[in-house]
This record gives sequence, C-alpha cells and structure tokens, in this order.
Amino acid sequence: DQQVKQNSPSLSVQEGRISILNCDYTNSMFDYFLWYKKYPAEGPTFLISISSIKDKNEDGRFTVFLNKSAKHLSLHIVPSQPGDSAVYFCAASGTSGSRLTFGEGTQLTVNP
Amino acid sequence: DAGVIQSPRHEVTEMGQEVTLRCKPISGHNSLFWYRQTMMRGLELLIYFNNNVPIDDSGMPEDRFSAKMPNASFSTLKIQPSEPRDSAVYFCASSSQDHSNQPQHFGDGTRLSIL
Repeated sequence: DQQVKQNSPSLSVQEGRISILNCDYTNSMFDYFLWYKKYPAEGPTFLISISSIKDKNEDGRFTVFLNKSAKHLSLHIVPSQPGDSAVYFCAASGTSGSRLTFGEGTQLTVNP
Repeated sequence: DAGVIQSPRHEVTEMGQEVTLRCKPISGHNSLFWYRQTMMRGLELLIYFNNNVPIDDSGMPEDRFSAKMPNASFSTLKIQPSEPRDSAVYFCASSSQDHSNQPQHFGDGTRLSIL
C-alpha cells in the first residue's frame, strides 16, 4: 500500500523556467509534509516542509503548496537552475517527528 | 557543523557474513532513524529510536536484522547472517524532537553489497 505517491519518475525543464513536482497521499492522518533533494552517492537533503495547518510555504526559489482536500502537494522551483538537477522525494508523517513515509522520487533534470 | 556520520561508506562481503553498519547522529538530536533504499521498494524505514529507546521496529525485515543505540551519539545496524537480497543503500537520519515538526537529517549512507 503506497501511501505517498510521486507519479512522475522524471521531469525535464529548461534553465530559468518553473519546475513543478507533484505528490499525492492517501493517509488522512498525515499532518507534516517534507521535500528532500538527493544527489547521487549522497544522502537526502532536507529542502522545505509544510504543516497541515498551512497551504503554502515559501523559501527563496522553493515553494510548497498543500491541498488537503485533494491530498496533494507540489513543489515549485522558480527559476530552475542546472544545479537543481537531482532526485526529489516527497515525504509525510503523522505526528511531529515520527516515521516518514517517502514517495518513489522524481528525477529532475534542468537543461542549460 | 558535523552532520550525520555513517561508516563504512561501502561494504562488500560474502553471504553468511555478519555486517555491522554504524551511525553517529547530529549532536543534540534525540531521535535516530535507519532507512534502506532499494530499486524495488524505494526508501523505507527500518527502525527508529527516541532517547536511545527503540520506538518502532516494524520495518525490520526479519530476525537477521538488529539495531542498537547504546548511547545518544552512536547506533549500529547489524545483519547476521547476511544474504544477497540485503544488498542496498542503508541511511541513518537524526532529528530533534524537542520542538515540533523538525525535519530528519540524513547521512550519506552505506552502500552494502552481499555477494
């Protein structure tokens, strides 16, 4: 039972354009959502998070949107840069600090 | 600041051998997590500790796997005996639970190959 799903295994965008990565979840008990970025041979690096009491959180070029009724969240990166090329994982947890459930990941490629 | 430190970075061993993976969490963090990443199952939680006490080990695949956290600055994940299907990247992560909604910070993983 995949509770967190990233349906797009890969995404390719041009430098300077917007990248939109999507994530869907099924467990209505999830109340904290995170995005991680992963480069090859490194561990996932925390990028941005959002709690279920909010619908938007912004940090520089990165914005996460949460639609609780649709059980959907998205990560917007604008403008995209070649250094953003990595695998992006969506994750969710039910209570603060408890186990994270990860999506399958989306490989983002930003072309110069 | 030192992040989560894992050792070894790579381990290649023959099936049947004992394997021990090590993790040093970020100083001051009181929760520690062990994950495994495979092509088939993605990133999955094996076990996590809070204040050195195992809280949830439901992700540990079988009795061949065991984890300990003897103190706040060290944890081990042991596989005995190892099998080829245990080949994966094993990540350790830590977080602070003194404040709500704190993200987990990951080490760079141990790439394990069982021949």
